[in-house]
Amino acid sequence: EAGVAQSPRYKIIEKRQSVAFWCNPISGHATLYWYQQILGQGPKLLIQFQNNGVVDDSQLPKDRFSAERLKGVDSTLKIQPAKLEDSAVYLCASSSPRTGYRDNYGYTFGSGTRLTVV
Amino acid sequence: SQKIEQNSEALNIQEGKTATLTCNYTNYSPAYLQWYRQDPGRGPVFLLLIRENEKEKRKERLKVTFDTTLKQSLFHITASQPADSATYLCALALNTGGFKTIFGAGTRLFVKA
Repeated sequence: EAGVAQSPRYKIIEKRQSVAFWCNPISGHATLYWYQQILGQGPKLLIQFQNNGVVDDSQLPKDRFSAERLKGVDSTLKIQPAKLEDSAVYLCASSSPRTGYRDNYGYTFGSGTRLTVV
Repeated sequence: SQKIEQNSEALNIQEGKTATLTCNYTNYSPAYLQWYRQDPGRGPVFLLLIRENEKEKRKERLKVTFDTTLKQSLFHITASQPADSATYLCALALNTGGFKTIFGAGTRLFVKA
């Protein structure tokens, strides 16, 4: 099966500019996650979708970050305006709640988008 | 405060030996725990999942133990190979109605030929 697709792979922007990342999860995976991974740290959950509804966005800085998953398939994450501390890798992951825990499957991650804010 | 702790220092071992990585946590009650491998420039790759009522899980050269009393998981790679060199992430799944997964910072493993 195809993996989780993310684009772009790299992005360099100036502070106060805006940027958007795109994610296409594995077909049939109802749950989609956006994680932020700062160099040397583990991934930190930003937002979790179940189909096109938000399950958890408690750690999303809502004054500058937004995300949507309009048709319950692909998703976009936007930052506006960007700050220097937003420099990180943004990872998208998906899972199937019907099989994930019960069948010992974890999350499937994309390769991420490396964002550098200068 | 809630914490997940993995060895911040890299682990260096000789090829053929068993690598043992530690994951300790405080003030969490995970429903299950996962281990992932992450290579530079790539996303994490799922390796193993162990539930709170399981003590040990094996997959090929990998073994995971889970002690909810000690609040610790150990991850073992037997007969290690240079290709096993990567960062290994521990992740706790918390039952919050659904499941919310919290990751540790990972431990870098270097296997020398």
